[in-house]
Amino acid sequence: AQKITQTQPGMFVQEKEAVTLDCTYDTSDPSYGLFWYKQPSSGEMIFLIYQGSYDQQNATEGRYSLNFQKARKSANLVISASQLGDSAMYFCAMRDPSGGYQKVTFGTGTKLQVIP
Amino acid sequence: DTGVSQDPRHKITKRGQNVTFRCDPISEHNRLYWYRQTLGQGPEFLTYFQNEAQLEKSRLLSDRFSAERPKGSFSTLEIQRTEQGDSAMYLCASSSTVGTGVNIQYFGAGTRLSVL
Repeated sequence: AQKITQTQPGMFVQEKEAVTLDCTYDTSDPSYGLFWYKQPSSGEMIFLIYQGSYDQQNATEGRYSLNFQKARKSANLVISASQLGDSAMYFCAMRDPSGGYQKVTFGTGTKLQVIP
Repeated sequence: DTGVSQDPRHKITKRGQNVTFRCDPISEHNRLYWYRQTLGQGPEFLTYFQNEAQLEKSRLLSDRFSAERPKGSFSTLEIQRTEQGDSAMYLCASSSTVGTGVNIQYFGAGTRLSVL
């Protein structure tokens, strides 16, 4: 069974600084996809970034980048130049091969608080 | 493009009552998903549709739960004889099979259910 582990329940970062949110995963499937979502207090899950297991380069989307270390099975999210609006829950997730890769398995999340 | 819309945003009900939630996916997205999120956890997969066909159901989806997507557009999730353990955020997501093949699921803001 696939598993996503986020070991940081909460993180603080100073505004304008960079922060890394940790994610490790476990799967026996050679083909998988990893996602990061942001969930503000309003509740909506906002897609941030995607990394495929066969992608040669680390994914980047604006201030978000994914530090993908396949051998270590880690997919850490790096947020550069933190902003107050980045305060939210962040979830790492993996596409599950069961059910034709339609199911996404989520970690327990990291609560990020940006300090002015 | 208005995003995934869920209604109502909040629902308070008494134990034993039936409730129904609605989800309107992003237009022309042929896949629709339901997830449940309890406090302090990531979303957990419940079920998904491709067009009007319900292709997978989680073991979490007990007999009291039923989901429909009659015309392949909006979907409803009904919970019969609600129990206090049903209290959670119910999230809907949609995705499209057209394009790059990366199955990015876009989420709505959720319906928060409180069973008294």
